[in-house]
Amino acid sequence: GAVVSQHPSRVICKSGTSVKIECRSLDFQATTMFWYRQFPKQSLMLMATSNEGSKATYEQGVEKDKFLINHASLTLSTLTVTSAHPEDSSFYICSAQGTSDYNEQFFGPGTRLTVL
Amino acid sequence: AQSVTQPDIHITVSEGASLELRCNYSYGATPYLFWYVQSPGQGLQLLLKYFSGDTLVQGIKGFEAEFKRSQSSFNLRKPSVHWSDAAEYFCAVGAGGNKLVFGAGTILRVKS
Repeated sequence: GAVVSQHPSRVICKSGTSVKIECRSLDFQATTMFWYRQFPKQSLMLMATSNEGSKATYEQGVEKDKFLINHASLTLSTLTVTSAHPEDSSFYICSAQGTSDYNEQFFGPGTRLTVL
Repeated sequence: AQSVTQPDIHITVSEGASLELRCNYSYGATPYLFWYVQSPGQGLQLLLKYFSGDTLVQGIKGFEAEFKRSQSSFNLRKPSVHWSDAAEYFCAVGAGGNKLVFGAGTILRVKS
C-alpha cells in the first residue's frame, strides 16, 4: 500500500515551453501533497504544499507563477513548469501524505526535467 | 527554525561491516524523525521513523536508529552492510504544517 506514482519519469523540452508533471496516490487518498526539487548531489528542497481543493502554499523564494500547482482531486496533483529555462532543469519529486501517522509522507519516483 | 545536520557527506564501508550514519537535529519540541534511502534516480523510501515511545526504532532492511534527546541525535545503524545498501541516506525532521526538513544526505559506498 501507499504507492505514489509520477509521470513522466523523464522529460526533455525546449526553452520557453511548459511542462506538466503528474503525481498520483494510487491506493490511498491524499489531502496534502508536497513538491520537492532536488539538485544534483543535494538534498530535497520543499517547493510547495498542495492541498486538495485549495491554493498551494509556496515556500519562500519559489515563484508561484512559474511553478503552477493544481490539486484537483484526492489522488492527483500536478506541477506545471511554465516557460521553462535551462536553470529549471532538475529532479522533481512529489510526496503524498496519508491520513494516519503525522508527517509520514510517501514519495513518488521523481521526474527528471531537462530544459535545452 | 528546524534543521537537520548530517555531518558525513560520504561514507565507505566494507561489505559485512557495521554502519552508523549520523544525524543531528534542531527542534524546539519533541521531534518526529525519519530516515529515508534514495537509490540513484529514484524517489525516497522510508526506512524508519520515530514519533514517541521506545527510543530504539527498528526499520526495514535490518536498519535501526536510536533517538537521543540529550544529544539531539538520531543515528542510523546496521550491524552488517550488504552491497545493495549502497545509496544515499537522508535524515529528516517533521516541521510545522506537516512539512519535512531534510538533511544534506550521506552517500554510502560499500566495498567488497
